[in-house]
Amino acid sequence: EDQVTQSPEALRLQEGESSSLNCSYTVSGLRGLFWYRQDPGKGPEFLFTLYSAGEEKEKERLKATLTKKESFLHITAPKPEDSATYLCAGGNAGNMLTFGGGTRLMVKP
Amino acid sequence: ETGVTQTPRHLVMGMTNKKSLKCEQHLGHNAMYWYKQSAKKPLELMFVYNFKEQTENNSVPSRFSPECPNSSHLFLHLHTLQPEDSALYLCASSHSGAAGEQYFGPGTRLTVT
Repeated sequence: EDQVTQSPEALRLQEGESSSLNCSYTVSGLRGLFWYRQDPGKGPEFLFTLYSAGEEKEKERLKATLTKKESFLHITAPKPEDSATYLCAGGNAGNMLTFGGGTRLMVKP
Repeated sequence: ETGVTQTPRHLVMGMTNKKSLKCEQHLGHNAMYWYKQSAKKPLELMFVYNFKEQTENNSVPSRFSPECPNSSHLFLHLHTLQPEDSALYLCASSHSGAAGEQYFGPGTRLTVT
């Protein structure tokens, strides 16, 4: 059974305090590891796709990386507007996504 | 309208009611999805349609009945629901060859009384 686990469940940061979110996965025939951002009252918004170990993707203050067992979302010098729940998902050989429980990030000014 | 829209945004229904959720995508995609999002639980995939054909039914109870009349519209028909079915129901769409890059609607917040 495919599994995706995210940690921590919640993370409080001061503005400018860099940190990383973790996503551990066991997905049969992994076809991609995906990161999404979800704001309260909204549906998830696609951020990144990672296909192979060693791959990195960047967007503004966010950088996603991938190993054979984990993915990390690094947040550099976060701002209050980065506050959201970040979801990761693994895509299997059937192109079905298994989502993790998410990390709720709160950035205080 | 742009992106993925869902109606209604909020729905309260009794256990004996019948209601339907509607989703429409304006992105030219050919795959559509229903997800359930409950508090403290990960997003759960319910149904997948590719080119109007159902390709996945993730062991969903029969009180949930999907319908996909064309690649732009998706419905979820609800009947005799249970209180534990209260959740946020999200619709998403994608190109069928890029199932990981999904575009979500804002969801319908369903409360079953």
